[in-house]
Amino acid sequence: DAGVIQSPRHEVTEMGQEVTLRCKPISGHDYLFWYRQTMMRGLELLIYFNNNVPIDDSGMPEDRFSAKMPNASFSTLKIQPSEPRDSAVYFCASTSDRAVQPQHFGDGTRLSIL
Amino acid sequence: GENVEQHPSTLSVQEGDSAVIKCTYSDSASNYFPWYKQELGKRPQLIIDIRSNVGEKKDQRIAVTLNKTAKHFSLHITETQPEDSAVYFCAATSGGYQKVTFGTGTKLQVIP
Repeated sequence: DAGVIQSPRHEVTEMGQEVTLRCKPISGHDYLFWYRQTMMRGLELLIYFNNNVPIDDSGMPEDRFSAKMPNASFSTLKIQPSEPRDSAVYFCASTSDRAVQPQHFGDGTRLSIL
Repeated sequence: GENVEQHPSTLSVQEGDSAVIKCTYSDSASNYFPWYKQELGKRPQLIIDIRSNVGEKKDQRIAVTLNKTAKHFSLHITETQPEDSAVYFCAATSGGYQKVTFGTGTKLQVIP
């Protein structure tokens, strides 16, 4: 079992640039979650998908953030244009909908916006 | 929506002592309560979980208790070791939508 795979692991870019974070969930998992973690705000749920459909995007901070899940094995989180306050660790997690199951997290993407 | 509060935010214990972290939740429909451990620079990893039809669960040095009436649950770590040092998150889930609400985390330091 490969686990949840995120790329890149680290991203450093300049303010105003577009940033794309990628996630491959565990095969067979029906739910995919994007989180942002900072010291100040802890773990925040940004958006989650069920069967590739966005269910709740109320945590997306503003229009600069967008997320897609074109198929069951791939999701992206895009920030355009990026700002220094977007610097954080972004985690992707997935789980199955067969009864209540724990979420499995990827290793995260550490994003630094200069 | 669900609100999960976690205390304390930091906890220091001597190696070998016990550590207790407490959480409360607001949504009586929540039925699944996982606990995650996050070491510095790493991803959160599930260490133990409990479902609402169970009052207590134990796994070696780790135990979790749940009081549905009071809507609180706790993590107990006995015989703490330096490798237990990490941030611990509690969470509550309503089964219908798999949406997890996390507590704010407890930074546990085990002093050798």
